[in-house]
Amino acid sequence: QKEVEQDPGPLSVPEGAIVSLNCTYSNSAFQYFMWYRQYSRKGPELLMYTYSSGNKEDGRFTAQVDKSSKYISLFIRDSQPSDSATYLCAMSAIPNAGGTSYGKLTFGQGTILTVHP
Amino acid sequence: NAGVTQTPKFQVLKTGQSMTLQCAQDMNHNSMYWYRQDPGMGLRLIYYSASEGTTDKGEVPNGYNVSRLNKREFSLRLESAAPSQTSVYFCASKFGGEEFFGPGTRLTVL
Repeated sequence: QKEVEQDPGPLSVPEGAIVSLNCTYSNSAFQYFMWYRQYSRKGPELLMYTYSSGNKEDGRFTAQVDKSSKYISLFIRDSQPSDSATYLCAMSAIPNAGGTSYGKLTFGQGTILTVHP
Repeated sequence: NAGVTQTPKFQVLKTGQSMTLQCAQDMNHNSMYWYRQDPGMGLRLIYYSASEGTTDKGEVPNGYNVSRLNKREFSLRLESAAPSQTSVYFCASKFGGEEFFGPGTRLTVL
């Protein structure tokens, strides 16, 4: 069983829809949770980063963490065609220390999202 | 700042050939990483370097070697390429909670 499971989709939604992307994990040592967005033929870029359980909002994006259920989600409100990309969840067990960081990320498989006009 | 750069962008090798993928970052980050990305597999860590002079194996290190040449550069070497190493390779550097990724190298091994 993979440490991080993510539904690969693909997911296709109309413009303006609310999108929900989810990951489950099995390693209770994971403390840091991230969502990356990856456009076609590009490298991933960090979208959201959260540590604690609860919600974190940034514009149209909300990251939700439920450590008791080992479940994280990313919600996209008012989705746009420019949101079409692969979304990867990632997790880390080791905290960062100042300017150096030793935490290795474990990634989900990625969900391919298409928002059509 | 160029961020994280990778060369080459594309490469085709024959089975048994060797090559080195180059990565450089200009953000003065201590930690650097090499991943491979395959369909349905997400990103899998090959090797990482927590700081200059140190390297450690990740999840899928077999068939690869790395060199942390200095703080800026972290190279990945395939000594004898195999078709199973056909993939997209990403280099990343890290500061605090964020990993910054390069544009990737698309490698095909025939």
